[in-house]
Amino acid sequence: KQEVTQIPAALSVPEGENLVLNCSFTDSAIYNLQWFRQDPGKGLTSLLLIQSSQREQTSGRLNASLDKSSGRSTLYIAASQPGDSATYLCAVVTDSWGKFQFGAGTQVVVTP
Amino acid sequence: GAGVSQSPSNKVTEKGKDVELRCDPISGHTALYWYRQSLGQGLEFLIYFQGNSAPDKSGLPSDRFSAERTGGSVSTLTIQRTQQEDSAVYLCASSLGQGLRGDYGYTFGSGTRLTVV
Repeated sequence: KQEVTQIPAALSVPEGENLVLNCSFTDSAIYNLQWFRQDPGKGLTSLLLIQSSQREQTSGRLNASLDKSSGRSTLYIAASQPGDSATYLCAVVTDSWGKFQFGAGTQVVVTP
Repeated sequence: GAGVSQSPSNKVTEKGKDVELRCDPISGHTALYWYRQSLGQGLEFLIYFQGNSAPDKSGLPSDRFSAERTGGSVSTLTIQRTQQEDSAVYLCASSLGQGLRGDYGYTFGSGTRLTVV
């Protein structure tokens, strides 16, 4: 059974520092991996989608890498801002139905 | 529409009552998913619809839960005889998946917060 783990569970950094969020999965046979952001009381916002054949994706200050063989993905957020404060979720697709297996998330606080 | 719309945004119900939660996916998205997020828990898959195929109901926690999708668009999740442990945020997502294993990624709605008292 696929298990997705996110470390750390919570992270607090001062504004301007780079953020590094980790995601690991036990079964490397994934189709794709997606990073989401969730603000308190809100739904999920898709940040980056990495296909299984890709090694990384970039969007603005965000960069996500994928190493299928070692079962890891890392989300980097450069020059963090207070507006980056949220919970970040990693999810992998491991079956033909396309349903995700989610990690428990990393709660990020960026202090001014 | 511009995004995935869910209604109501909040629902408080008495234990034992039935509730219906609605999801309007993005126009043209053939795949629709329901997830549940309980307090302090991760997201739990409930059910998946893809076009005219039989839905994947493997995540429904009990036979009190059911869902339907009419005309390949709007979906309704029904919980009968609600229990306090049903309290959670119910999230709907849609995708252009077309059976391509979510290759186009998901768009989530804002969710329905269900509280059973």
